[in-house]
Amino acid sequence: DAGVIQSPRHEVTEMGQEVTLRCKPISGHNSLFWYRQTMMRGLELLIYFNNNVPIDDSGMPEDRFSAKMPNASFSTLKIQPSEPRDSAVYFCASSFRTGLKSTEAFFGQGTRLTVV
Amino acid sequence: GNSVTQMEGPVTLSEEAFLTINCTYTATGYPSLFWYVQYPGEGLQLLLKATKADDKGSNKGFEATYRKETTSFHLEKGSVQVSDSAVYFCALSDYGGSQGNLIFGKGTKLSVKP
Repeated sequence: DAGVIQSPRHEVTEMGQEVTLRCKPISGHNSLFWYRQTMMRGLELLIYFNNNVPIDDSGMPEDRFSAKMPNASFSTLKIQPSEPRDSAVYFCASSFRTGLKSTEAFFGQGTRLTVV
Repeated sequence: GNSVTQMEGPVTLSEEAFLTINCTYTATGYPSLFWYVQYPGEGLQLLLKATKADDKGSNKGFEATYRKETTSFHLEKGSVQVSDSAVYFCALSDYGGSQGNLIFGKGTKLSVKP
């Protein structure tokens, strides 16, 4: 398997524009996570899906952020409108969970977002 | 709630020095514990894990033992190399509680000088 695939790797956009980040989890995994990493706040969980259903979105900063998982092999994180403070590296990760057990999470390479 | 606390860096060592990065946790139930490593410009990679008390995880010369009595999972390596320079994250997986998401510490940056 190619691992978790994120696109784009880098994104530079102007304030106010819509940004869409994409993630393809590892085939067979049923849990998907979106994280944001900044120097100031470290690694923050934004949202977590299990079997394509959002389970915990308490980390989503505000209504400008939304995430979808239309099927088991694809997820998007959208920011609309974007702001300079959204600049960060966004990671997608996936794992396989059954009952109370889960494999470790496998991370993508990340998308470095810069909002100017 | 569940949390992970790890020593703040940066940590700077000379090659072949002994490394310890402290990690303690707070959790209900019986979490699994992990160390992840992040090399510059890359995503996080699992370094090692332990799923129950007294388990020792090991990989690439790194070790950590799951100590329930002290709620700790300290990372150690006997002789570091320049190639070990990276950011190290301690994490726990809350199986019984929230749904199985990972909770990360803030990371410790390690720099190894030749």
